[in-house]
Amino acid sequence: QVQLKESGPGLVQPSETLSLTCTVSGFSLTSYGVNWVRQPPGKGLEWMGTIWNDGSTDYNSALKSRLSISRDTSKSQVFLKMNSLQTEDTAIYLCAREDYYDGSFAYWGQGTLVTVSS
Amino acid sequence: DVVLTQSPATLSVTPGERISLSCRASESVDTYLHWYQQKPNESPRLLIKYASQSISGIPSRFSGSGSGTDFTLSINGVELEDLSIYYCQQGNSLPRTFGAGTKLELK
Repeated sequence: QVQLKESGPGLVQPSETLSLTCTVSGFSLTSYGVNWVRQPPGKGLEWMGTIWNDGSTDYNSALKSRLSISRDTSKSQVFLKMNSLQTEDTAIYLCAREDYYDGSFAYWGQGTLVTVSS
Repeated sequence: DVVLTQSPATLSVTPGERISLSCRASESVDTYLHWYQQKPNESPRLLIKYASQSISGIPSRFSGSGSGTDFTLSINGVELEDLSIYYCQQGNSLPRTFGAGTKLELK
């Protein structure tokens, strides 16, 4: 069955770089796009960006200068890197598979909490 | 960017009643509008896609309607397990955007 699972450090120092991995199973990264979405504690969902099935990427313009999404298809992994982290980047980070035809997110990972603090 | 405005922000409900949640887009998203339910400490769950298409495994009391800029999620006979936050999301254009959510609470 389709599964996604995020992993990465739970704590990041201010001004440092965040690196997260989304490991997927049950589908191929060359067939589906994978998105990153984040949710600050007690707040709503923010779309961060996507890596499409062809390997191209699109980013939220508010994060574009700090954000990079890449993948390793042989390992079924999608990577997020975001630099210059600040306390307002504290959030649960989730990866989600996007439906090619309608842009819906039917499958989500469990999310990983990242706290930015010294 | 397409702004999705959800109303109300909070809705107090009584089990068994029929309720409607609204999602309004700042520009047309055709029918590329999707609804999610999120319970505390859980990931969002897709409830309705393409504005009105049901999802396998989702109770039939959930339904959606609308097109263009005005959309509605209805719950016909609210149950206690439905007390959650509901988000709409558009898949018509980039960036993907979400509404701020409607929280269902017990009256």
